[in-house]
Amino acid sequence: GQQVMQIPQYQHVQEGEDFTTYCNSSTTLSNIQWYKQRPGGHPVFLIQLVKSGEVKKQKRLTFQFGEAKKNSSLHITATQTTDVGTYFCAEPVEYGNKLVFGAGTILRVKS
Amino acid sequence: DTGVSQNPRHKITKRGQNVTFRCDPISEHNRLYWYRQTLGQGPEFLTYFQNEAQLEKSRLLSDRFSAERPKGSFSTLEIQRTEQGDSAMYLCASSSRVTSGGPRRQFFGPGTRLTVL
Repeated sequence: GQQVMQIPQYQHVQEGEDFTTYCNSSTTLSNIQWYKQRPGGHPVFLIQLVKSGEVKKQKRLTFQFGEAKKNSSLHITATQTTDVGTYFCAEPVEYGNKLVFGAGTILRVKS
Repeated sequence: DTGVSQNPRHKITKRGQNVTFRCDPISEHNRLYWYRQTLGQGPEFLTYFQNEAQLEKSRLLSDRFSAERPKGSFSTLEIQRTEQGDSAMYLCASSSRVTSGGPRRQFFGPGTRLTVL
């Protein structure tokens, strides 16, 4: 079945350092969504990428979709303590009837 | 606040008991989803409704699990004869109708954390 692999599992950075999480699939993704889950919270939608090679920015966050639509990345520039949480990529499958989530990358930021 | 509410927020029960959770989606959303999340994992799809119709159930949803959305508004998820392996966060999400623009984002509720002793 569909499966998206996400790396790294965990990253601990100093405040101000950059952070990147990667999402990979063995099959072509129709599109991909990114969610953030704060500690003790629930997933919150960040963005959806649809087009091959697409790059979208939200302030310090940059999202990319690979040319082959088999991978995606989220890059945070100059992390802040408010960035802590788990970042998930998720593939909408079966016409968006369900999301298949990666295992997530836990980000911790040292101030 | 996403507008999706879930009750209760926490439930502790003994093995073998039945539990029921409720989800109230965003009012104009016709799609409602249930997911289960265990520690260190991403949410796993359980089932989804379009209006009152339950259109898909995951293999994860054993016959001890049943979900309903009788009037196309709120939904309930019942687990019968709970087992310790059922301990998890149960998340509900809703979304509006899928359009030609692609899948809509899902709005998640705060979840119900179930602990089975």
